[in-house]
Amino acid sequence: AAGVIQSPRHLIKEKRETATLKCYPIPRHDTVYWYQQGPGQDPQFLISFYEKMQSDKGSIPDRFSAQQFSDYHSELNMSSLELGDSALYFCASSFRYAGTDTQYFGPGTRLTVL
Amino acid sequence: GQNIDQPTEMTATEGAIVQINCTYQTSGFNGLFWYQQHAGEAPTFLSYNVLDGLEEKGRFSSFLSRSKGYSYLLLKELQMKDSASYLCAAGRDDKIIFGKGTRLHILP
Repeated sequence: AAGVIQSPRHLIKEKRETATLKCYPIPRHDTVYWYQQGPGQDPQFLISFYEKMQSDKGSIPDRFSAQQFSDYHSELNMSSLELGDSALYFCASSFRYAGTDTQYFGPGTRLTVL
Repeated sequence: GQNIDQPTEMTATEGAIVQINCTYQTSGFNGLFWYQQHAGEAPTFLSYNVLDGLEEKGRFSSFLSRSKGYSYLLLKELQMKDSASYLCAAGRDDKIIFGKGTRLHILP
């Protein structure tokens, strides 16, 4: 079965640079979520989109923005990168009206800021 | 506010049974999830409980008591590959709030 696809899988950036992470949800899923997970930490919710509209917002810094496009893929844009932004970034998708709204996670993008 | 508590670490023996407990307090609760996460990998969905009671799925079972704000994940016939972190997560509105995870060590 098709899973959530994230690209790139690994990304190395310098401080103050910009990064864009992409997420392609499971086909027919209408909701996308972004999480940040630091070393030894639990995943922290950043932001979610339902039917291309932002549906909820968590601990996303103002330097980050995200959107969901007409084909349901989503991009997380990160500017003025800081060392503390080094983390695993997971995208998850769900089908809201499936009854459980279970989120299925992509493999993650490992961002390293030098 | 929201709060999810689960033990930080547990150790069990291959072939045995282990129960990982989780207590939660959150507004807008709409279900309790358990995820398994191996180091450096994505969380993998294990179970979802929205009603009180036990849900069994192969070697794994999950229990929920909404009135007590309590859940547990039961793992039977433990295998070495079960060594991982187990994340208890509460569904709230349009997101999932994760606990810190329980790192489970399996001894041969």
